[in-house]
Amino acid sequence: AQRVTQPEKLLSVFKGAPVELKCNYSYSGSPELFWYVQYSRQRLQLLLRHISRESIKGFTADLNKGETSFHLKKPFAQEEDSAMYYCALRGNNNDMRFGAGTRLTVKP
Amino acid sequence: NAGVTQTPKFRILKIGQSMTLQCTQDMNHNYMYWYRQDPGMGLKLIYYSVGAGITDKGEVPNGYNVSRSTTEDFPLRLELAAPSQTSVYFCASRRQGGPGELFFGEGSRLTVL
Repeated sequence: AQRVTQPEKLLSVFKGAPVELKCNYSYSGSPELFWYVQYSRQRLQLLLRHISRESIKGFTADLNKGETSFHLKKPFAQEEDSAMYYCALRGNNNDMRFGAGTRLTVKP
Repeated sequence: NAGVTQTPKFRILKIGQSMTLQCTQDMNHNYMYWYRQDPGMGLKLIYYSVGAGITDKGEVPNGYNVSRSTTEDFPLRLELAAPSQTSVYFCASRRQGGPGELFFGEGSRLTVL
């Protein structure tokens, strides 16, 4: 079965500290994985996708097929990173499943 | 270019009433999705569509119906509303092929009392 697990509902760090938001997935095929972000009073939007291997707003995420993980990392958190983060997986039949989300708070 | 537009933004229903959440997109996207967002539960896929005339069930389809008569519109119908359907509903779309980015609407907050 296709499943995305984000084990932390809440994560709080101080400004300038490293941050890692965990995402594990379960999927029998070759997954496409994404991170979406929802800032306060804004629409859900794409942050990054694994196939691009890009860094957006200082965030990176590496797909680890052995550990079935796609953790989101940033070396130095900023206050404006405070938001709700969702990990998502697209299956072969084009549905897109999301995890439960992690609310990140970056304290000054 | 409005993107994905959802109406209404807010609605209060009584138990047993029915209503339709409207979703339209002007990006000529083939794929459209309906999610519900509950605190601590994340986004759950209700229904999705890969093109006009084609719909498929997601994770939590019970109590809902959809139709896709045009590329632009993907309405979500709630029949016999129940308190368990109190949620924030999001519509999203994406184009066929490409990197798979979903474009979301602003959401519709529904309360069933």
